Amino acid sequence: AQRVTQPEKLLSVFKGAPVELKCNYSYSGSPELFWYVQYSRQRLQLLLRHISRESIKGFTADLNKGETSFHLKKPFAQEEDSAMYYCALLLSHTPLVFGKGTRLSVIA
Amino acid sequence: GAGVSQTPSNKVTEKGKYVELRCDPISGHTALYWYRQSLGQGPEFLIYFQGTGAADDSGLPNDRFFAVRPEGSVSTLKIQRTERGDSAVYLCASSGTGDTQYFGPGTRLTVL
Repeated sequence: AQRVTQPEKLLSVFKGAPVELKCNYSYSGSPELFWYVQYSRQRLQLLLRHISRESIKGFTADLNKGETSFHLKKPFAQEEDSAMYYCALLLSHTPLVFGKGTRLSVIA
Repeated sequence: GAGVSQTPSNKVTEKGKYVELRCDPISGHTALYWYRQSLGQGPEFLIYFQGTGAADDSGLPNDRFFAVRPEGSVSTLKIQRTERGDSAVYLCASSGTGDTQYFGPGTRLTVL
């Protein structure tokens, strides 16, 4: 079965410091990977997906098939980045498989 | 345009009661998904509709859970004989021609 692992439940960084939220997946094929974010009292929303190769709010994520990873990175954390971040895997038109999430706390 | 909406936002019920949770997807989206999110966990898949039919219901935990989408738009998740372990946030998502799933705000179900 497909699996997504986010090893850190909580990550605290100082404002301006680099951020890396880890995500590893288990799937032998070519999955599509996503990062979803949930800000306080808001709904889950898409942050970015690997096929679009874009940077959203300064975040980027590179799919590394050799290491089966899709880590989320940002060079300089901002206070407004504090949120729950979920990595998710998708096979074509199937339900998303989510990791357990990482809470990012950016300290001023 | 309007996003995915879910009602009610909160539901408190007693053990053994029946509940219905409603999801209004984004207009025109053919795919609709139900997920359940327990405390400290990521969303877990329950059931997926393509149009009116359930394309995959493998995530439903047991036969107390059932969902319908009779006209291919609004969906209702039904839970019979609720148990305390059913307490969670129930999320609905919809997608159109692309793969991106758009989520509703969720219904927080509490079973006393």
